[in-house]
Amino acid sequence: GQSLEQPSEVTAVEGAIVQINCTYQTSGFYGLSWYQQHDGGAPTFLSYNALDGLEETGRFSSFLSRSDSYGYLLLQELQMKDSASYFCAVGRADKLIFGTGTRLQVFP
Amino acid sequence: DAGVIQSPRHEVTEMGQEVTLRCKPISGHDYLFWYRQTMMRGLELLIYFNNNVPIDDSGMPEDRFSAKMPNASFSTLKIQPSEPRDSAVYFCASTLRGTADTQYFGPGTRLTVL
Repeated sequence: GQSLEQPSEVTAVEGAIVQINCTYQTSGFYGLSWYQQHDGGAPTFLSYNALDGLEETGRFSSFLSRSDSYGYLLLQELQMKDSASYFCAVGRADKLIFGTGTRLQVFP
Repeated sequence: DAGVIQSPRHEVTEMGQEVTLRCKPISGHDYLFWYRQTMMRGLELLIYFNNNVPIDDSGMPEDRFSAKMPNASFSTLKIQPSEPRDSAVYFCASTLRGTADTQYFGPGTRLTVL
């Protein structure tokens, strides 16, 4: 089967760094994506890892290790507006399979 | 571009009624996806289309659900008859190519079946 596991909730304070992990049990996928969803909003694309290694986009970085079936999203210099749910997703056969989501709460 | 457009944004209906959700993908996007999101089950893919053709409907819960895409700029998801367990947020998303490309989500339709 295919499954992606994430921690259900993570808390941190403004200015801190937080890492959201994603472990998966699937094969033959194209890459690992991350999406952000604020309460009441729609998922929005954050980053994509086609290859192993680190991808950096501003304050956000994403990492993939296919050999370890593992990836993570790293958020630096946390801001209150980063409070949201974060989903990892693997691409397979033209579709995305989403993880369970991690709710990040940033405190002042 | 206005992004993916969904209507209605909110729908409240009674059990047994027919519900039709609508989606307009981003112009030029070849793929359209319908998702359902609930607290219990997370974000589930229901069905997706490529060039207006349904490719994978394995996520459609049961025969009460149907989806169509009569042209490149319009898709519908219909539930008939609706049941309280269908209450969820339904998202439509589109993308230019396959999964390696970014999926752009619409604002969603919050459906409540009483």
